Amino acid sequence: GAVVSQHPSRVICKSGTSVKIECRSLDFQATTMFWYRQFPKQSLMLMATSNEGSKATYEQGVEKDKFLINHASLTLSTLTVTSAHPEDSSFYICSARGQLFEAFFGQGTRLTVV
Amino acid sequence: SQQGEEDPQALSIQEGENATMNCSYKTSINNLQWYRQNSGRGLVHLILIRSNEREKHSGRLRVTLDTSKKSSSLLITASRAADTASYFCATDENAGKSTFGDGTTLTVKP
Repeated sequence: GAVVSQHPSRVICKSGTSVKIECRSLDFQATTMFWYRQFPKQSLMLMATSNEGSKATYEQGVEKDKFLINHASLTLSTLTVTSAHPEDSSFYICSARGQLFEAFFGQGTRLTVV
Repeated sequence: SQQGEEDPQALSIQEGENATMNCSYKTSINNLQWYRQNSGRGLVHLILIRSNEREKHSGRLRVTLDTSKKSSSLLITASRAADTASYFCATDENAGKSTFGDGTTLTVKP
């Protein structure tokens, strides 16, 4: 299947700093990418839908100024957690939609804010 | 409530036994996917079954889909301790946007 690479896999940052997470589709072009968040022992919740060249669509309750999404090319979307706080510590996963409308997931990023 | 809901929430079996997990959903779907997640790790894609398919196999995995009942099942045969993980179903009902269930935590005892 198609490959989606997410980087970094783990990151620890200090409270108040910003962290950028990258999601790349390695062997296909992804016009749409999705960002999910997973709290411990819970399921994945969709945060936002990112379309190449346009603004992201955020789910209800997700702060767009807190979670900045940029989808500048057909193979790369980035999620920046701005002014991170301990409550932002979570597992973030992206997925990319290919031509056949099937979504492929990255390996996820474990963010710990200390 | 969640689009995809897994049942049971937790399952504990002995190595060698079969494990069956079920998933129910509410809206029409394009496809349904099953994923495995080891504790604290990323998702591993197991199987995708399309809405016009009824059954699919991959190694020790067997997935069924009943669109009339809006349900799917994942069967793991001859389970191994390494199968211990959380299993999620995810429905693709809107061009790639996936909705996940709460997952089934499977424990396979050696």
